[in-house]
Amino acid sequence: EAGVTQSPTHLIKTRGQQATLRCSPISGHTSVYWYQQALGLGLQFLLWYDEGEERNRGNFPPRFSGRQFPNYSSELNVNALELEDSALYLCASSVRDRGYEQYFGPGTRLTVT
Amino acid sequence: GDSVTQMEGPVTLSEEAFLTINCTYTATGYPSLFWYVQYPGEGLQLLLKATKADDKGSNKGFEATYRKETTSFHLEKGSVQVSDSAVYFCALSEWAGNMLTFGGGTRLMVKP
Repeated sequence: EAGVTQSPTHLIKTRGQQATLRCSPISGHTSVYWYQQALGLGLQFLLWYDEGEERNRGNFPPRFSGRQFPNYSSELNVNALELEDSALYLCASSVRDRGYEQYFGPGTRLTVT
Repeated sequence: GDSVTQMEGPVTLSEEAFLTINCTYTATGYPSLFWYVQYPGEGLQLLLKATKADDKGSNKGFEATYRKETTSFHLEKGSVQVSDSAVYFCALSEWAGNMLTFGGGTRLMVKP
C-alpha cells in the first residue's frame, strides 16, 4: 500500500507570509496528525484530525491551523510566518483497526527567511 | 504533563557491538510506549511498541521491555550494523489514537 505522502518537499517563504502544507494519509486511515521537528527542539505535536474534526491541539499559537477534507487528506496552514517556524513538518496517519499506530510521511521542510 | 527522557547522543559504536539506548517516561496513566527510527533524509518509522507492563516489543533484532516499576523502555540490540545508523526516538501515547509525546532523540553512529 502507498504510504503517507506530503507536499511540497521543500517550501521557502519570507517572514510574514503564509504557508500551506498538504498531507495524504494511507488509504483507509481516518486520522491525521501534524508534528513540528525544529532543530534543537525535538518533535512537538501540533494538531490531530479525525473524521474531519479537530480532536486535539498542541501548545502552538492560533496562527497554526488546519483542516481535514472528506477524503481524509489534510492541510496545515501557518500564517504570519516567523523565522522560528523553520522546521521539518511531519504528518502521520492512523486508523482504529490498526490500533491507531501512527505512520509518518517524509515531511515538508519549511524555511522562513 | 507527560514527558519522555532519553539519553543524549551521539552514541558511536563499532559494528557488532551491543546497543542500549535508555528511555524513561512520566505519565499519569498507563501509556503505550514506542520506539521510532529516523534514517537520514526520511520520516519516522515505527520500530517497535509495547502497550502494557512487562510487554516486550521486538523488530529487526531490536528489543525493548515495558518496565512500569522503573517507568522505563530501554532499547537494546545485541549486534549493531552500519545500516542501523540513524536517530532513535522514544515516545508514549496516553491512549490509543492520542498524540505521541517524544523524547529528544538519540543519534546512533555505527562504524565498520
